[in-house]
Amino acid sequence: AQKVTQAQTEISVVEKEDVTLDCVYETRDTTYYLFWYKQPPSGELVFLIRRNSFDEQNEISGRYSWNFQKSTSSFNFTITASQVVDSAVYFCALILYNNNDMRFGAGTRLTVKP
Amino acid sequence: NAGVMQNPRHLVRRRGQEARLRCSPVKGHSHVYWYRQLPEEGLKFMVYLQKENIIDESGMPKERFSAEFPKEGPSILRIQQVVRGDSAAYFCASSPGTEINQPQHFGDGTRLSIL
Repeated sequence: AQKVTQAQTEISVVEKEDVTLDCVYETRDTTYYLFWYKQPPSGELVFLIRRNSFDEQNEISGRYSWNFQKSTSSFNFTITASQVVDSAVYFCALILYNNNDMRFGAGTRLTVKP
Repeated sequence: NAGVMQNPRHLVRRRGQEARLRCSPVKGHSHVYWYRQLPEEGLKFMVYLQKENIIDESGMPKERFSAEFPKEGPSILRIQQVVRGDSAAYFCASSPGTEINQPQHFGDGTRLSIL
């Protein structure tokens, strides 16, 4: 069975600091997809990124970057020069190919203080 | 270009009443997923539907919960005889087709509170 672990329950940083959110997953399947979602205080879920298991290229999008390491089953998310608006709960998720059950981690609550 | 629309945004029910949560997928999407987020927890898969068919309800409680996605109209998640433990945020997601590599677009959720 697949599982996603986000060991960091809460992280607090000061604005402009860099912060990395960890995500470790477990699956025996070789084909799967990994996601990150942001849930701001308003409660909606905002899609950030999708990565398939065959694409280990790291990705950068503005201040956001993702480091996918199959060897350690990790898909970590880094926010560079954090801002107050980055304060949210961030969820990592995994879905297997040909499966309907997207498994979410418990989330990491990030607080960015001014 | 409307995204996934869920209503109501907030729903209050007394114990024993019925709760009906509605989800209109992104236009053109024929696959709908329902997830439940309990307080301070991540999201848990409940059910996956295509038009007029339940494909996977492995995450759905066996009693009191049901879901449908009719040919016309929104998908409905129905909870009968609600109890306090049903208080949660319920999220709906949609995707366009059989390729699950499409990101699941989520609605803003319905927050259900049971008095």
